[in-house]
Amino acid sequence: EVQLLESGGGLEQPGGSLRLSCAASGFTFSSYAMSWVRQAPGKGLEWVSTISGSSGGTFYADSVKGRFTISRDNSKNTVHLQMNSLRAEDTAVYYCAKMGYGSGWFREGYDYWGQGTLVTVSS
Amino acid sequence: QTVVTQEPSFSVSPGGTVTLTCGLSSGSVSATYYPSWYQQTPGQAPRTLIYSTNTRSSGVPDRFSGSILGNKAALTITGAQADDESDYYCVLYMGSGISVFGGGTKLTVL
Repeated sequence: EVQLLESGGGLEQPGGSLRLSCAASGFTFSSYAMSWVRQAPGKGLEWVSTISGSSGGTFYADSVKGRFTISRDNSKNTVHLQMNSLRAEDTAVYYCAKMGYGSGWFREGYDYWGQGTLVTVSS
Repeated sequence: QTVVTQEPSFSVSPGGTVTLTCGLSSGSVSATYYPSWYQQTPGQAPRTLIYSTNTRSSGVPDRFSGSILGNKAALTITGAQADDESDYYCVLYMGSGISVFGGGTKLTVL
């Protein structure tokens, strides 16, 4: 059974940093792309970042480019999102999501989701 | 900046059929955008319904189907049930690793 468990959310001041983690199990982690998707209070879903499984290529939404860094530790089946220079508009529930296999990872959308971790940016 | 468009809201009668759409502010949606669809109820994580235009995710009933209709991706729900009342989101793959969510459609079953 695929399981994704996010952690690391909390309250942080504007300009601060947080590191989110997502522990994965139930599949061959290193072969699959992983993404972070967020949802601001009362708003829709927004793609944040993806890291491929095959090449480890990384991709970012314009809204977080240069401030957030996605990484993965295949030995620990974990994906991280390092969030720097946080802004009030980064306040959201952050979901970890599993994507597809190998070089065609984008064809299969997000097939499994974690329960999310809340990030609040406020002074 | 490309915007993915969805109807903000839609209503359907129990037992009825509804088609939600997913378009582009500029251009047409085709299978090469690998459209996918997600259902979300308040306070819950999204649930995957459809990926790659028309492939149902594991465990999704065949009441849910995906297609390309004209210049948009479409999600059709037949035999609507009360627990289909949810928010529905589409995602399009724009290439170069970039995905864009639509704004979501709030579906009411009444």
